[in-house]
Amino acid sequence: NAGVTQTPKFQVLKTGQSMTLQCAQDMNHEYMSWYRQDPGMGLRLIHYSVGAGITDQGEVPNGYNVSRSTTEDFPLRLLSAAPSQTSVYFCASSYSRGGWNTEAFFGQGTRLTVV
Amino acid sequence: DQQVKQNSPSLSVQEGRISILNCDYTNSMFDYFLWYKKYPAEGPTFLISISSIKDKNEDGRFTVFLNKSAKHLSLHIVPSQPGDSAVYFCAAKTSGTYKYIFGTGTRLKVLA
Repeated sequence: NAGVTQTPKFQVLKTGQSMTLQCAQDMNHEYMSWYRQDPGMGLRLIHYSVGAGITDQGEVPNGYNVSRSTTEDFPLRLLSAAPSQTSVYFCASSYSRGGWNTEAFFGQGTRLTVV
Repeated sequence: DQQVKQNSPSLSVQEGRISILNCDYTNSMFDYFLWYKKYPAEGPTFLISISSIKDKNEDGRFTVFLNKSAKHLSLHIVPSQPGDSAVYFCAAKTSGTYKYIFGTGTRLKVLA
């Protein structure tokens, strides 16, 4: 039972490079989301998805793209990396239980440095 | 516009004593609140939650209190243990949505 798996764990990019952060979950959760954690800023929502083919923007979406072609996967794309995107990125998934609220499950994180 | 605020960046408590972590929110549409614990180099892990129809929820050493009129919640840890040393995030959401809004976190240090 892997839960939410993020790859890679660490990445260094040069300014202007592009890359994709991978996120996969094996719990058949409908809802997936990406957060970034920065010192003093907490966890800020980048993008989220309520199901395959449906995505929406969070609090800090600029510079990032997402797509959701399957229930299991929710990749985050950095189109042209900037130093301001240096951060720790977390993917999370959650589900509805008969309309009741439930918790979100997080991956281990990807530490990204843009130089 | 910080909808969920944790005004204490850090807290130190002696082992065996009570730890009280506080959280305030501004959005009156929030009706579900969660606490997460995060160790270095790991993802946040769920600790305890409370629905707005309750004012208290207890799970072992952890109790969350909700004061809706003050838009305030708190997490009590009794007794505190050195293994509780971590960053604690509170989060909030509105039923029917799947956007969890997090606070900035409080670093708890439990001194042996």
